[in-house]
Amino acid sequence: GAVVSQHPSWVICKSGTSVKIECRSLDFQATTMFWYRQFPKQSLMLMATSNEGSKATYEQGVEKDKFLINHASLTLSTLTVTSAHPEDSSFYICSARALRGDTEAFFGQGTRLTVV
Amino acid sequence: AQSVAQPEDQVNVAEGNPLTVKCTYSVSGNPYLFWYVQYPNRGLQFLLKYITGDNLVKGSYGFEAEFNKSQTSFHLKKPSALVSDSALYFCAVRDISGNTPLVFGKGTRLSVIA
Repeated sequence: GAVVSQHPSWVICKSGTSVKIECRSLDFQATTMFWYRQFPKQSLMLMATSNEGSKATYEQGVEKDKFLINHASLTLSTLTVTSAHPEDSSFYICSARALRGDTEAFFGQGTRLTVV
Repeated sequence: AQSVAQPEDQVNVAEGNPLTVKCTYSVSGNPYLFWYVQYPNRGLQFLLKYITGDNLVKGSYGFEAEFNKSQTSFHLKKPSALVSDSALYFCAVRDISGNTPLVFGKGTRLSVIA
């Protein structure tokens, strides 16, 4: 299957700083990328959908100014958590789909963010 | 709107016994259905999917799932459980129309006891 690489796998940052998470499709071009957030012992909640070259579409309740998503190329999307606070500590997972309407999306390995 | 229900938070099964993890779904049109497994602090590993065709889908690691349209279910099964199957299992659905994201169930933790 297709490979999606997410980096870093874990990060610890101080409250008030910003953290960037990268999601790369290694062997295919991802026209669409999805960003999910997972709290401990809970399911994956969709944060936003981004199509290459367009602004991301955020789910209700997700602050677009806090969670900046960039999808400038067909192989890279980034999620930047700005002015992070302890409540932003979570597991973030990206997912990439090759073609619009393609059946399957492939997942990165996730990033564990801890804000202290 | 799409939704997935996994009615069991936890499933316990003895090693060697068959296992079932339940999933029901709701979509406005026809569904694409998926099962993923997650180990601690790891991403999702794809197990299997139903797109069209045979209702019984066979996937990785000996898992299979049966699509039942009348009951809107897609239960995950394995004939003989292994201790290494212990993990968190997610059912997911998306409508076949449009470029929609996957919607996940809350997950079911499977514990296989030796």
